[in-house]
Amino acid sequence: EAEVAQSPRYKITEKSQAVAFWCDPISGHATLYWYRQILGQGPELLVQFQDESVVDDSQLPKDRFSAERLKGVDSTLKIQPAELGDSAMYLCASSLGVGRNIQYFGAGTRLSVL
Amino acid sequence: GDSVTQMEGPVTLSEEAFLTINCTYTATGYPSLFWYVQYPGEGLQLLLKATKADDKGSNKGFEATYRKETTSFHLEKGSVQVSDSAVYFCALSDDTNAGKSTFGDGTTLTVKP
Repeated sequence: EAEVAQSPRYKITEKSQAVAFWCDPISGHATLYWYRQILGQGPELLVQFQDESVVDDSQLPKDRFSAERLKGVDSTLKIQPAELGDSAMYLCASSLGVGRNIQYFGAGTRLSVL
Repeated sequence: GDSVTQMEGPVTLSEEAFLTINCTYTATGYPSLFWYVQYPGEGLQLLLKATKADDKGSNKGFEATYRKETTSFHLEKGSVQVSDSAVYFCALSDDTNAGKSTFGDGTTLTVKP
């Protein structure tokens, strides 16, 4: 069964360092999402891509976060510089389209900022 | 904006007990509604969905009915098992807003033998 791949699974970094997360969606899925999940809360959408275009990045802290999906396939989320409050699980999901389509989630990257 | 409110947890039940997890939503359009489940150390996976009013989603003994009049999508299961222990998330996808998804804060279910 096809899966959404994410790496790394865990990342520990120091405050003010740069970190990057990678996501490879299920083949053929046009829509890709990056979520941040703080412990005890639901996922919060950071950015949504339709192919290589950003559809929604209204909740992305653009002074420190960036996301790209250059060829409309895999995607990278970067944080520079990392802050203590960025410690969370970062989830990637993909779907065939938007709205009624099921989102398939990766296992996530757990980030700890020290 | 859109929002999803779930009953607060954690919920602890004995095996074979009846489960209800309440979920209500606020949306400007006509959203699709979902229940996702997250097991420890894993990402979320779809449990069931409903795309229009009065639809009933069902899977693995779980059911939820899309109630537009009460803006609710409560999750139910008649007889829970230890293996159902997980975190359950109610979510909506707003088709009038590029399919933007909004999740509730999750309800942790623990089933004891």
